[in-house]
This record gives sequence, structure tokens and C-alpha cells, in this order.
Amino acid sequence: GENVEQHPSTLSVQEGDSAVIKCTYSDSASNYFPWYKQELGKRPQLIIDIRSNVGEKKDQRIAVTLNKTAKHFSLHITETQPEDSAVYFCATPPRGQGAQKLVFGQGTRLTINP
Amino acid sequence: DTEVTQTPKHLVMGMTNKKSLKCEQHMGHRAMYWYKQKAKKPPELMFVYSYEKLSINESVPSRFSPECPNSSLLNLHLHALQPEDSALYLCASSQRLNTGELFFGEGSRLTVL
Repeated sequence: GENVEQHPSTLSVQEGDSAVIKCTYSDSASNYFPWYKQELGKRPQLIIDIRSNVGEKKDQRIAVTLNKTAKHFSLHITETQPEDSAVYFCATPPRGQGAQKLVFGQGTRLTINP
Repeated sequence: DTEVTQTPKHLVMGMTNKKSLKCEQHMGHRAMYWYKQKAKKPPELMFVYSYEKLSINESVPSRFSPECPNSSLLNLHLHALQPEDSALYLCASSQRLNTGELFFGEGSRLTVL
């Protein structure tokens, strides 16, 4: 089945600096790559997603890049703020399953230091 | 209304009890999901319903029994659970299968004694 590896497991950055989280996947047929943010005690929420027909997508301070050849995708957060502190999960569906059967990475706990 | 509402928020039950978790959404979504999340772990898919029919069962033990009475409601019936079943149970919905964004509820935190 699909395997998603996420690194690093924890990340601490100074407020205003950038943060990058990377995920690698095993199934070359994967075509949908969302990122979810889960604040402490809260629900996971989609922050950005990308499909395999594009290489990069931006939404204000957040961007996702996809390298289909190397089978990895990354979340980039610029000008980090305290409210960016949370656990971030990447995800992708196994071959032929579509977005309804997401396999999540193990998560990255991001801490923004003031 | 862009929320998925779950009740109860917290539940403590014994191994011989029968209880139910409830989930409701009024966004007109036709796909609904149950996920299980252990502490410091990612959500794990349990069940998927599409148009009120069970679409995916991820080999979940029969002590967990899902039910989708209508397009807005999703239940998870619990019976004879084990302490290792203690976790946060998240409900989610999406417009349809394969449409991308999952909208999660805040979860029901279950403790099995």
C-alpha cells in the first residue's frame, strides 16, 4: 500500500523565519497532495492542497511544491507567526483510491518561538 | 453552516457498555467518514459512506458498527470495546468522494476503562 514519510517530526523556528516540511510517497500514481493543520485540541483543517498536474501552489504565506519524479512534496511557510504553531500532516491517497482514502504522514510539530 | 458537529465531546465507558457517537453536517455533503486518532499520531481511516451507503471499511473490528441514517447524520455504535480503543474519534465530510477537502469535526474523546 501507499507509504508516506514525513520529516522532520518536530521543528522549531524563530518568529518571522521560514519553515519547510517534506513528505515522500511511494505510489507513483498518487495524484492528490493535501496538507492539514491541527492545533492542540482542535480538529484537522485543510490549509492547502495540490494536484499532480501542477508543480507549485501558493496561498499568501503558505506554498506547496511537488516533485513527481522524486516523489516528494513540501510545505513552505514564510514569515512565520505564533499562530502557525501546530501539528502539520501531509497526506495522499493510494493508487486508484481517490481523495476519500487518504494516508497521512506521521505529522510535524511546528513551534514558533517569539 | 460550514461545520461538522460531533457529540458527545467526551465519553467514558466500560468494556461491557454500549454507546454511540454521533456526527451531523448540514453542508449537503454526500460523503462522510470516521477516523480514529491516537495521541501524537495521524488520523487513521475507519469507514467511508457515500450517498448513505458504506463504501470503505478498513478492516475495523465488529465492535465498531457505523450507521448512516440519512445524508446529514453519521453514527458509530460501540459495544464491548477494549482499553486500547481509547482515542479521539473524528468524523469528517466532503462534497462527494474524490472531491478533495475533508471537513473534520472536533472529535469525540473516548476512554474505555
